[in-house]
Amino acid sequence: LAKTTQPISMDSYEGQEVNITCSHNNIATNDYITWYQQFPSQGPRFIIQGYKTKVTNEVASLFIPADRKSSTLSLPRVSLSDTAVYYCLVGASNTGTASKLTFGTGTRLQVTL
Amino acid sequence: DTEVTQTPKHLVMGMTNKKSLKCEQHMGHRAMYWYKQKAKKPPELMFVYSYEKLSINESVPSRFSPECPNSSLLNLHLHALQPEDSALYLCASRPVGQGGRSYNSPLHFGNGTRLTVT
Repeated sequence: LAKTTQPISMDSYEGQEVNITCSHNNIATNDYITWYQQFPSQGPRFIIQGYKTKVTNEVASLFIPADRKSSTLSLPRVSLSDTAVYYCLVGASNTGTASKLTFGTGTRLQVTL
Repeated sequence: DTEVTQTPKHLVMGMTNKKSLKCEQHMGHRAMYWYKQKAKKPPELMFVYSYEKLSINESVPSRFSPECPNSSLLNLHLHALQPEDSALYLCASRPVGQGGRSYNSPLHFGNGTRLTVT
């Protein structure tokens, strides 16, 4: 299983762009990269998923270089409500059976005024 | 609100009690997961069910006993727990690929059961 490494914490001011990088040096060919957001006393929530290059949705962008050994979650113009823990997961693809999905340490983002 | 419902939201139990946590989803997902999360730590995988069969057990102590009675329901039976088992227990589900086809879909989590063992 690909192990992930993220910064433990980050601080940002409201309105700034935040980039959180995840390192996954032993990512396998079939692995996808998925980011989750978690607020206190809630379950993690899916933010974005990608395999290579760039993916963008209404809340974030995900940048994956050609070697796929790292990925960067980009949150544009953060607000106070983006204060949360962000997890990067690298998981094996399903092929008829459920796969193991293990969380790394996560990054605690604190947004202030 | 989430599409994965966990009950109860909070549970306090003594070390000699027997209790159960329940998780339900109606999205047709055939993979279901139990995670345990201690304060300020990431979720820790406990069990994975695929098509109602236990496929992964992460060396969890036998005082935790999972059960998947049908494709929508996942239970976690608790017996003779220790105070250090106090945590947030999270259930998640996702679709499973079929016919050997690779398939990736994110996990859908419930909001967990906050368990306190006294």
